[in-house]
Amino acid sequence: QKEVEQDPGPLSVPEGAIVSLNCTYSNSAFQYFMWYRQYSRKGPELLMYTYSSGNKEDGRFTAQVDKSSKYISLFIRDSQPSDSATYLCAMKGGGTSYGKLTFGQGTILTVHP
Amino acid sequence: KAGVTQTPRYLIKTRGQQVTLSCSPISGHRSVSWYQQTPGQGLQFLFEYFSETQRNKGNFPGRFSGRQFSNSRSEMNVSTLELGDSALYLCASSPEGFGYTFGSGTRLTVV
Repeated sequence: QKEVEQDPGPLSVPEGAIVSLNCTYSNSAFQYFMWYRQYSRKGPELLMYTYSSGNKEDGRFTAQVDKSSKYISLFIRDSQPSDSATYLCAMKGGGTSYGKLTFGQGTILTVHP
Repeated sequence: KAGVTQTPRYLIKTRGQQVTLSCSPISGHRSVSWYQQTPGQGLQFLFEYFSETQRNKGNFPGRFSGRQFSNSRSEMNVSTLELGDSALYLCASSPEGFGYTFGSGTRLTVV
């Protein structure tokens, strides 16, 4: 079983829709939670990060973490065609887990006009 | 502010050869991590360097190695290449262990 599970999709939504992306994890040592966006032929781009349970909002993006359920989500409001990309959740432990992010498989999102 | 620069962008090598990939982190970032990305396995952690010292290593064979120079630039080496080493190799830098910024990667094809 993978430490981080993410539905690969693909997910196709109309412009303006609310998108919900989710990951579950099994490793209780994970303390930091991130969402990355990756366009074709590019490296992942950090969208959001948090280290506590609850919600964090940044513009059209809201990251939600529920440590008790080992579940994280990313919501995208008013989705745009430019949001079409692969979305990756990533997690990191504390202590000596230097540089080691554990990624989900990524969800392919297409927003059509 | 310049981002993370990886060179070369594309590389084709033959089985059995070795390859060296280069990464220049964002100025002031002392932590450099390397990842392998494949369609089947996704993004997997290779190793992390900080101030020229390897602090962490993933589950890859010894054919995969790296180093970091005093200016924080890093190189990754893969010896005795196998077909399965074909992947996108990504480098990420961080000021200190968090907020990782990735480069665009080096696409390695082994034939």
